[in-house]
Amino acid sequence: DIQMTQSPSSLSASVGDRVTITCRASQGISNYLAWFQQKPGKAPKSLIYAASSLQSGVPSKFSGSGSGTDFTLTISSLQPEDFATYYCQQYHTYPLTFGGGTKVEIK
Amino acid sequence: EVQLVESGGGLVQPGGSLRLSCAASGFSFSRFWMSWVRQAPGKGLEWVANINQHGSEKYYVDSVKGRFTISRDNAKTSLYLQMDSLRAEDTAVYYCARGTYGISEVGDYWGQGTLVTVSS
Repeated sequence: DIQMTQSPSSLSASVGDRVTITCRASQGISNYLAWFQQKPGKAPKSLIYAASSLQSGVPSKFSGSGSGTDFTLTISSLQPEDFATYYCQQYHTYPLTFGGGTKVEIK
Repeated sequence: EVQLVESGGGLVQPGGSLRLSCAASGFSFSRFWMSWVRQAPGKGLEWVANINQHGSEKYYVDSVKGRFTISRDNAKTSLYLQMDSLRAEDTAVYYCARGTYGISEVGDYWGQGTLVTVSS
């Protein structure tokens, strides 16, 4: 199975900060990488697919990059509604696997 | 508006069975792959299974193979997960998700989830 490792597991940031989350795959997955946002008690929300393509309706403050084994999710200017847990997911090979999550908290 | 509504969760004893349902509306259900993803209490997301538009292709995570069965009824616009031989480690919120058009393995719309608790 392909292991997905996110770092950091949590971070504290202030409103207006630029935040970057990293996701590393245990083997090359080309650009078959998605990002999700989840708030407490809520279902995940799809943000990005194909490493850098925004889902419809997702604001452009979110961006993704990377290919192969190393990927990043960047939030350009953190807003109160962005405090949540973020997950990456590879869909290159079954079984589909998620990273462990990165919790973004208010500093 | 796309809506996915899960039901069927509850408390079940180890070794028991449960059937989850996901009622879909607001889109052409028969054109999309569908998935089940679960989340144990306080833990991360785990993909469980998915199914193609016609029900002819199904994939499962190893930990549920032979115990869980994903199915769909396009006439009823519903997705199902039959869960047998349940174990404590199956305790989780189960979400159904619609595959992104053209990228079937990425859920673009998700239901609110249904909680399954396996305990004696």
